[in-house]
Amino acid sequence: GDSVTQMEGPVTLSEEACLTINCTYTATGYPSLFWYVQYPGEGLQLLLKATKADDKGSNKGFEATYRKETTSFHLEKGSVQVSDSAVYFCAGRAGGSYIPTFGRGTSLIVHP
Amino acid sequence: DSGVTQTPKHLITATGQRVTLRCSPRSGDLSVYWYQQSLDQGLQFLIQYYNGEERAKGNILERFSAQQFPDLHSELNLSSLELGDSALYFCASSVSQQGYEQYFGPGTRLTVT
Repeated sequence: GDSVTQMEGPVTLSEEACLTINCTYTATGYPSLFWYVQYPGEGLQLLLKATKADDKGSNKGFEATYRKETTSFHLEKGSVQVSDSAVYFCAGRAGGSYIPTFGRGTSLIVHP
Repeated sequence: DSGVTQTPKHLITATGQRVTLRCSPRSGDLSVYWYQQSLDQGLQFLIQYYNGEERAKGNILERFSAQQFPDLHSELNLSSLELGDSALYFCASSVSQQGYEQYFGPGTRLTVT
């Protein structure tokens, strides 16, 4: 079946450091790919998405590019802030499925 | 605020008991999804309803059931509760049954003692 693999956390960074969280998706066909963010005590929020190869999703300074050859969708940010501390989930949804498959989540901790 | 509401926020109950979790989707959304989030299993899809009908089923135990009512709110019923059912239960909604973009509620934290 479909699966999403993302790097294990926690990822601990200092403020203004660069962030990369790796995500790869294994599926039949080419899925739509998503990043969700979960702030402490809250539900998941859609952060960005890409629906086809070479699409770049971006929001709040975060970016991710859908790489077809590796079905990867790595999340990047050039300068993280303390307020970015959260759990980040990569997810993919194959064309024939109504339900996204979520990764295990990566906790990001940003220190001042 | 996603527009999805869930009640209650917290629930503490004993093993063997039965509880009902409630979800109201965003205005205009016809699909409701239920997820269970635990430390060891991550985020697990349980079940989806679209406009009152079951559309997809995931890793939902037989002790669990759900329904979506004509006003589109949904309830997740958990019975014969076990310690391992302690988790965060999220509801999400989307406009279509394809669930292209899902909007999550704040969750209900269930603690079984």
